[in-house]
Amino acid sequence: EAGVAQSPRYKIIEKRQSVAFWCNPISGHATLYWYQQILGQGPKLLIQFQNNGVVDDSQLPKDRFSAERLKGVDSTLKIQPAKLEDSAVYLCASSGGQGRTDTQYFGPGTRLTVL
Amino acid sequence: AQKVTQAQTEISVVEKEDVTLDCVYETRDTTYYLFWYKQPPSGELVFLIRRNSFDEQNEISGRYSWNFQKSTSSFNFTITASQVVDSAVYFCALGGQGGYNKLIFGAGTRLAVHP
Repeated sequence: EAGVAQSPRYKIIEKRQSVAFWCNPISGHATLYWYQQILGQGPKLLIQFQNNGVVDDSQLPKDRFSAERLKGVDSTLKIQPAKLEDSAVYLCASSGGQGRTDTQYFGPGTRLTVL
Repeated sequence: AQKVTQAQTEISVVEKEDVTLDCVYETRDTTYYLFWYKQPPSGELVFLIRRNSFDEQNEISGRYSWNFQKSTSSFNFTITASQVVDSAVYFCALGGQGGYNKLIFGAGTRLAVHP
């Protein structure tokens, strides 16, 4: 079974530029998550989708970050405009069911460097 | 408040030594889930184990074992006869909070196993 796919793996941009990350979850997984992992810290949830609806975006900086999951499969996370403090690894995860207990499986992440 | 504390920032051992990674959690929920993930240098978070709050049985999987003690809010992870391939950052996480599947991660413990 294929795992969670993410692209690109690495991205370097200047501050105030925009950037987008793509995620393809494990086939059939209803729930998709985006996490931000700053160097030396654990991942922090940015947004959670159930099918194509948002169920938790309380920690998403909505003035600059946006995410969508069209058709309940792939998802895109966008940052516009980027700030220096957005330098981090952006991890996508998916889980199979719709309950509060499902194990999350992670992709390889996208390492973003903002100069 | 929900919180996960991994007090050990870095651990260095020589191959074949046993090593224990500590995890202490805080939650007011009576039902919750605890996880361990491994993050090798490639960056992907690899799922290791999930434990629910009703099951305090210890678990062993090959060289890995987990000790869940509800009385001390701890969920420690032991690697027996460590190997160089065990070198990674290990994260403990608390799940099942707030009705959704949000994971709260600790800061991680970096394990270096030297030949």
